[in-house]
Amino acid sequence: EVQLVESGGGLVQPGGSLRLSCAASGFTFSQCCMTWVRQAPGKGLEWVASIKEDGREEHYVDSVKGRFSISRDNAKNSLDLQMNSLVAEDTAVYYCARGGYDPFWRTYRYDYFDHWGQGTLVTVSS
Amino acid sequence: IVLTQSPDTLSLSPGEKATLSCRASQPIGNNYLAWYQHKPGQGPRLLIYGASSRATGIPDRFSGSGSRADFTLSITRLEPEDFAVYYCQFYGGSPLWTFGQGTKVEIK
Repeated sequence: EVQLVESGGGLVQPGGSLRLSCAASGFTFSQCCMTWVRQAPGKGLEWVASIKEDGREEHYVDSVKGRFSISRDNAKNSLDLQMNSLVAEDTAVYYCARGGYDPFWRTYRYDYFDHWGQGTLVTVSS
Repeated sequence: IVLTQSPDTLSLSPGEKATLSCRASQPIGNNYLAWYQHKPGQGPRLLIYGASSRATGIPDRFSGSGSRADFTLSITRLEPEDFAVYYCQFYGGSPLWTFGQGTKVEIK
């Protein structure tokens, strides 16, 4: 069974830092693109960052570029999100998600996310 | 590319059919359009990918259709567990992954 379990959320002051982690199990982690998506209170889903299977290519939404850094450890089946210079607008539930597996082509894809964690809440407030 | 979902809220009774719309501000290549169901306290659940392919384990009362800039998620015969927020999502624009603002399907 595919499982994604986020951790590391909490209350942090503006300007502070936080590191989120996502523990993956039940699939070949090193074959999948991995992603962080967030949902601010009362708002919709927002893509935050993604990293390719080998960790050599990263993408970020403009609002977090230069402040957030996504990384992965394929040996430990883990995904991280280092968040620096946090602002109130970063307050959200952060979800870890896996790039979708296409059973027809037997390959992982980049265009959608087929498994998600339960999320971890980050609150940026003084 | 901006995805606009309509309506914002859909009030229906169990057993009725739901039709949700997702319109892109310009045509989407390769039909890289997915739909998710999201309930409070849970991670989103993939329903449809590639505009019309049902994800593993999704009941056949869920179906996706459309192309270019207009896409639809249909739910025939709403079950009590189907009342949730639904999002469409596109890949390939700027930002690379974009979600619509969501449609809430609520019990009438």
